[in-house]
Amino acid sequence: QSALTQPASVSGSPGQSLTISCTGTSNDIGSFKLVSWYQQRPGEAPKLMIYEATKRPSGISNRFSGSRSGNTASLTVSGLQAEDEANYYCCSYAGRSTLVFGGGTKLTVL
Amino acid sequence: QLQLRESGPGLVKASETVSLTCTVSSGSINTNSNYWAWIRQPPGKGLEWIGSISHSGTTYYNPSLASRVTISADTSKNHFSLRLSSVTAADTAVYYCARLLLFGSGYNSHFDPWGQGTPVTVSS
Repeated sequence: QSALTQPASVSGSPGQSLTISCTGTSNDIGSFKLVSWYQQRPGEAPKLMIYEATKRPSGISNRFSGSRSGNTASLTVSGLQAEDEANYYCCSYAGRSTLVFGGGTKLTVL
Repeated sequence: QLQLRESGPGLVKASETVSLTCTVSSGSINTNSNYWAWIRQPPGKGLEWIGSISHSGTTYYNPSLASRVTISADTSKNHFSLRLSSVTAADTAVYYCARLLLFGSGYNSHFDPWGQGTPVTVSS
């Protein structure tokens, strides 16, 4: 069970759109649409942003969207705002009731 | 609104066993609509799923930790617990508990909500 692969960092200016990728294998992302994304600000617990690859929980801005194709899932943040600066983690179901996280991506708003 | 709160010793000596508890409020852990999970985060590093427990008490562990981890639940106290044995400095982390929601006939979907986390430091 290997960790999912995410870029270490991404950055963008306010108002721009950014996409964070999350690459797995045919044993996890490639087999299940059960990918979730979490936002974590310093000193805080992670917060669910996207689940089942494309669904947004109640209360989460529609500026956040998710997609999945093959072994890769993506989180897109549109209309970047200063408050979006945080670490983002993807997570996938990996079969047999196990889960695997990505290494995390630091999003910086310039 | 469902809330989770972790509790634990904070500091534990190397080679000993650390025990953590997650108390659930505004909801029951005795439900078949979700599981309950532990996740940890070493200082400055990413998240790692430790394991989960179902409503029936079936447990699932990260293979890398399975030999040292035990997760249990006490429905009378509405809490679930984590025991991690033979700890080393590598086990120093913030430990989170979370509700693990399911998709379809038991496929693990996503964690929501999370507790605020409890730090565990392993001293030599």
